[in-house]
Amino acid sequence: QVQLQQSGPGLVKPSQTLSLTCAISGDSVSSNNVAWYWIRQSPSRGLEWLGRTYYMSTWGHDYAESVKSRITVNPDTSKNQFSLHLTSVSPEDTAVYYCARGIYERGATRFDFWGQGTRVTVSS
Amino acid sequence: EIELTQSPGTLSLSPGERATLSCRASQGVDSNFLAWYQQKLGQAPRLLVYGASTRATGIPDRFSGSGSGTDFTLTISRLEPEDFAVYYCHHYGTSPPYPFGQGTKLEIK
Repeated sequence: QVQLQQSGPGLVKPSQTLSLTCAISGDSVSSNNVAWYWIRQSPSRGLEWLGRTYYMSTWGHDYAESVKSRITVNPDTSKNQFSLHLTSVSPEDTAVYYCARGIYERGATRFDFWGQGTRVTVSS
Repeated sequence: EIELTQSPGTLSLSPGERATLSCRASQGVDSNFLAWYQQKLGQAPRLLVYGASTRATGIPDRFSGSGSGTDFTLTISRLEPEDFAVYYCHHYGTSPPYPFGQGTKLEIK
């Protein structure tokens, strides 16, 4: 059974960097048939995919256009986890952030396991 | 970019009744890469159905998905008390941005 355990601060000041980590058990961040995602949820934006990292002979990344200039999703193979870094945050980034595993099916990935969620508030 | 519109916004039913939730896409969904999730208060979404009609592991058979192209339906045949939650459809295509619907809240009448 795959489990994803999130960690990171729940309060970030405006203009600073939001950093979260998702520790994986029951799978490997380097698995070839999965991708690792960050998704957030807010009343104003609903569920919003932010970015992903995946390994297919080499590491790949994709980011949502809405955050592309501010986001980094990185794997950490030594700790079997991946991270989210979102720079220059504003109150609009206040949301519940989730990590999730995407499992490949004919080139597409459905989100079959999710972390518990981290409520992040951007406020001074 | 595909947009997903769910209806109704809120559905009020009683345990034992049948629930029908709709998800309409602004353009055709390739290869039926359409999933449904259930979310209870304070919890992460849980995958119920993928490929428009395949139940995920451990999901009771009272949940069924159908549809193709632009119109998809999640049916719960006989509502149990634990089924009252918010339901989201999701297009998990082969390339970003992987949109979600805005959700249908299923509440006890």
